[in-house]
Amino acid sequence: GNSVTQMEGPVTLSEEAFLTINCTYTATGYPSLFWYVQYPGEGLQLLLKATKADDKGSNKGFEATYRKETTSFHLEKGSVQVSDSAVYFCALSENTGNQFYFGTGTSLTVIP
Amino acid sequence: DVKVTQSSRYLVKRTGEKVFLECVQDMDHENMFWYRQDPGLGLRLIYFSYDVKMKEKGDIPEGYSVSREKKERFSLILESASTNQTSMYLCASSLLLREQYFGPGTRLTVT
Repeated sequence: GNSVTQMEGPVTLSEEAFLTINCTYTATGYPSLFWYVQYPGEGLQLLLKATKADDKGSNKGFEATYRKETTSFHLEKGSVQVSDSAVYFCALSENTGNQFYFGTGTSLTVIP
Repeated sequence: DVKVTQSSRYLVKRTGEKVFLECVQDMDHENMFWYRQDPGLGLRLIYFSYDVKMKEKGDIPEGYSVSREKKERFSLILESASTNQTSMYLCASSLLLREQYFGPGTRLTVT
């Protein structure tokens, strides 16, 4: 079946530190992969996506590369800001159906 | 920009009440979804709909029903609210095989 596993949090970093949030997946076919971000009290917002192997999604300084050989889609940012404090969700969408599969979320706090 | 709106940000209901949560999207998306989000459990799919009047059960449909009479509107119904249905409820919509867009969420408290 399909599933997503992401690193447990919470993660606390100092401003300007390097961020990695690990995400691995299990899928029966060739899924699309996504990172969503949820700021306090809000719904989820799409952060970036990749639809095929070796694609790199990027947005607002965040990047993730679709690695089929390691079934991974790790989120990275070179220099985090206080405003990046949020919960980050990795997700996959099977390309033959309508459902999404979400990881459990990783809470990030960036301190000045 | 895609806009998904939910009828209430915060809702307080009593045990046994019938509760309606409304979701509206303005981008002509075929698919609509209802999730609940609880600490430590992530997002869990309650129901989804891929067309008007069509619905499919998700992972946790017990105690819930849905209605989709128009393409832009997807309603979640708690027939008889219970305290274990206190949660954040998130609605989402998408085109076929594309990313989901979420509403701001409804925080429901059942007392």
